[in-house]
This record gives sequence, C-alpha cells and structure tokens, in this order.
Amino acid sequence: DSGVTQTPKHLITATGQRVTLRCSPRSGDLSVYWYQQSLDQGLQFLIQYYNGEERAKGNILERFSAQQFPDLHSELNLSSLELGDSALYFCASSFRDGYSGNTIYFGEGSWLTVV
Amino acid sequence: GDSVTQMEGPVTLSEEAFLTINCTYTATGYPSLFWYVQYPGEGLQLLLKATKADDKGSNKGFEATYRKETTSFHLEKGSVQVSDSAVYFCALSDRVIQGAQKLVFGQGTRLTINP
Repeated sequence: DSGVTQTPKHLITATGQRVTLRCSPRSGDLSVYWYQQSLDQGLQFLIQYYNGEERAKGNILERFSAQQFPDLHSELNLSSLELGDSALYFCASSFRDGYSGNTIYFGEGSWLTVV
Repeated sequence: GDSVTQMEGPVTLSEEAFLTINCTYTATGYPSLFWYVQYPGEGLQLLLKATKADDKGSNKGFEATYRKETTSFHLEKGSVQVSDSAVYFCALSDRVIQGAQKLVFGQGTRLTINP
C-alpha cells in the first residue's frame, strides 16, 4: 500500500459525459501528479500540483482539468468524454519539491471505461 | 525531448533463470532513473532508483546501475521467481524547472515466470 488513495476504482460512463476522479496523497506529501495509462499511448504525464499550485503540464487535453485543494487532495475532471479517453488514470504524490530524484508514489488507479 | 526505450516484451522465463531487461534513455541533463513494477491488477510500485552516474539501485534481489557513458539502466536479477511476474517500467526524471518534476516512462516490459 503506497498510501495514495484514489476513488472510484472503476467507472463506466457514456460518451459526452463528465466525471471526476479523486485522489488523496500520502500523509505529508505536498505534490500531486496525474498520469494516464492507455494501451496505445502507454504511461503519459498529465499534470502536477504542489501545495495547491500548478507546477507542470504534460499531455493534458483541454477537456480535462485538475485542481489541488487546501487539504492537499486533488481532483481530475474529465468532460465531453470520448471512447478514446478510456484508460487507467493514476494519481501519485511526493513530498519534496524541486528534486529530480524524488520518489513518486502511485495509487492503484481509477479505471475509466467510456461506452 | 526526453525518452526511454525498453526491450520489447513479452519476456518469458523459467523459475530461477537470470533476468535482464534493457533500458536506455535520452535526456538533455542529468536525470534520475527509476524502475517501477506493476503487478496484475495493482498500481505502480517503485522497485529501485539511482540519482547519479555509477549509482546502483537495488531492492528485492533486483539491481540496476546508472551508466552515463552508455545512457543505460538495465534491470537484472540473478534468480527469478513466479511472484516476479509483472510489467516493469523504466523511467527518468530530468532537471527540475520551477519545482516541476515529470517522470518519462518506457513502454513497459511484461515478464512471465513459469514454475
């Protein structure tokens, strides 16, 4: 158990809908990351927050948005869903900021299926 | 941009065989290097890491040495067990700008160990 908690574990929704994925980082961790794992794209970095502020953006679509709240939990909002958005979405967290050797701890992921 | 290339899988071995999974990288700076493992139905777990050239990361009998001259970080284990069956991901984290840290993953190598 990494200490990173993600909900829901599984989600099935229709095209055009909107969903919210929730993440609680490890106790004491200030950075939260979101990654997408799909069969065709592999593991892709989406976005990073540190103590409530956006730090880095990766291949995140405009239909997707995220935020980190004062209690450090984070939400990833996915809207106007398409079949291609079906994937495993990972949240991850780390404590230190600004160090490439930081260990990043991953949750078990949220499986999203768009039908 | 930064990239990681892993040997293509799947890899199938017999129990107690020697394992090598090749990983090479391209990066502009001096990255930190990681191996993550994903067991069936679970999230990503850090297996080992190395943060500078010639460092050796080790855990659970697995080892990998950061080779700057060959830009490689090959994963090895002397005697694999059935419980090592999983997908293994090599990843790098390059220089940090304004606190941003991004893991770039290889495509993953599926390992199956037969008894």
